[in-house]
Amino acid sequence: GENVEQHPSTLSVQEGDSAVIKCTYSDSASNYFPWYKQELGKRPQLIIDIRSNVGEKKDQRIAVTLNKTAKHFSLHITETQPEDSAVYFCAASMGAAGNKLTFGGGTRVLVKP
Amino acid sequence: DADVTQTPRNRITKTGKRIMLECSQTKGHDRMYWYRQDPGLGLQLIYYSFDVKDINKGEISDGYSVSRQAQAKFSLSLESAIPNQTALYFCATSDPGGGETQYFGPGTRLLVL
Repeated sequence: GENVEQHPSTLSVQEGDSAVIKCTYSDSASNYFPWYKQELGKRPQLIIDIRSNVGEKKDQRIAVTLNKTAKHFSLHITETQPEDSAVYFCAASMGAAGNKLTFGGGTRVLVKP
Repeated sequence: DADVTQTPRNRITKTGKRIMLECSQTKGHDRMYWYRQDPGLGLQLIYYSFDVKDINKGEISDGYSVSRQAQAKFSLSLESAIPNQTALYFCATSDPGGGETQYFGPGTRLLVL
């Protein structure tokens, strides 16, 4: 089955700096890669996703890049703000045909004011 | 997301007891999932159901069972609870026809003594 590894497990950045989280996956059949954000005591919520036919996607201060050859994808947060402090999870799946997500272990991001 | 609800929100039980966690959704989604989250770990899939007649084991199904009573309801049972089942449990839904986003419930915090 699919295996997703996520690094780093914790990340501390100064407000205004950028944060980068990296994930690798094992199953070359995976073609859908979402990122979820979980604030303290809250449920995970989708913040951005990317499909295998796209190399990069941006939404305001967040962007995701995908390298299918190397089987890794990354989340980039620019101009970090205190409200970006949360746990971020990457995931991989084979899309709608088998929408069973395999999650990475999570990255706890702390943005220091 | 208020469209996915879980009961109870918190539960304390003793080793050997049978307990049931319930999930209801008003989103009209066919697909429902149960995840377990342990501190410092990602979300691990316990069971998933792509429609009322479909039940599938996830990564960590041992010690758990599920029931899909209707499109809107998906229950998780611990037949004989043990302390290492202490965790945060999330239900989620998705609709392959409307994209692959999974919508999570608020979670149930379970403590097994």
